[in-house]
Amino acid sequence: SQQGEEDPQALSIQEGENATMNCSYKTSINNLQWYRQNSGRGLVHLILIRSNEREKHSGRLRVTLDTSKKSSSLLITASRAADTASYFCATERETSGSRLTFGEGTQLTVNP
Amino acid sequence: DTGVSQNPRHKITKRGQNVTFRCDPISEHNRLYWYRQTLGQGPEFLTYFQNEAQLEKSRLLSDRFSAERPKGSFSTLEIQRTEQGDSAMYLCASSFGQGIPPLHFGNGTRLTVT
Repeated sequence: SQQGEEDPQALSIQEGENATMNCSYKTSINNLQWYRQNSGRGLVHLILIRSNEREKHSGRLRVTLDTSKKSSSLLITASRAADTASYFCATERETSGSRLTFGEGTQLTVNP
Repeated sequence: DTGVSQNPRHKITKRGQNVTFRCDPISEHNRLYWYRQTLGQGPEFLTYFQNEAQLEKSRLLSDRFSAERPKGSFSTLEIQRTEQGDSAMYLCASSFGQGIPPLHFGNGTRLTVT
């Protein structure tokens, strides 16, 4: 079963705008990761945030984690057409053993 | 780092046939994962190897599915007596380290069962 739920399911913006995607999950986690997937390709890891961290940055990406609300957000600033992809959150649950559990993803379209 | 390699990229088969997919992980990675992804959904965990040992299997992995990782190197995923519901992208990922470090995914094998 899917642990994470991404919101929105689809997002369409203009180049240069910021894109915010949200992820909610149900059980306690050790860490949360964000991945990106271009159509027909494998997933690419973007950023990992541990349960004791609240915010993390990597280039144009900013991730926040609120364990009290069991939610995370991914912000992409100054978006580019090349950012068009599906974005997935994935959680390592405290009791999951060795698996990452992925959400259903947000399809981001950045229009030039 | 040549990345995770999966073969074939596409496989079309008739219902009832057996298929086998191969995954070559990044050479120094001791952990290997198989996931399945259907259109519009996130990847679903199938199974996990640490070196040659298969340590975890999802209940999604019915008795028609079997995975191996001989000698802790490449891995194969076999589906016997394929069904139309098996049509999906099968993704392999590898990693190295403690906990669940970032996964490196291959580009997947897309299976179509007709």
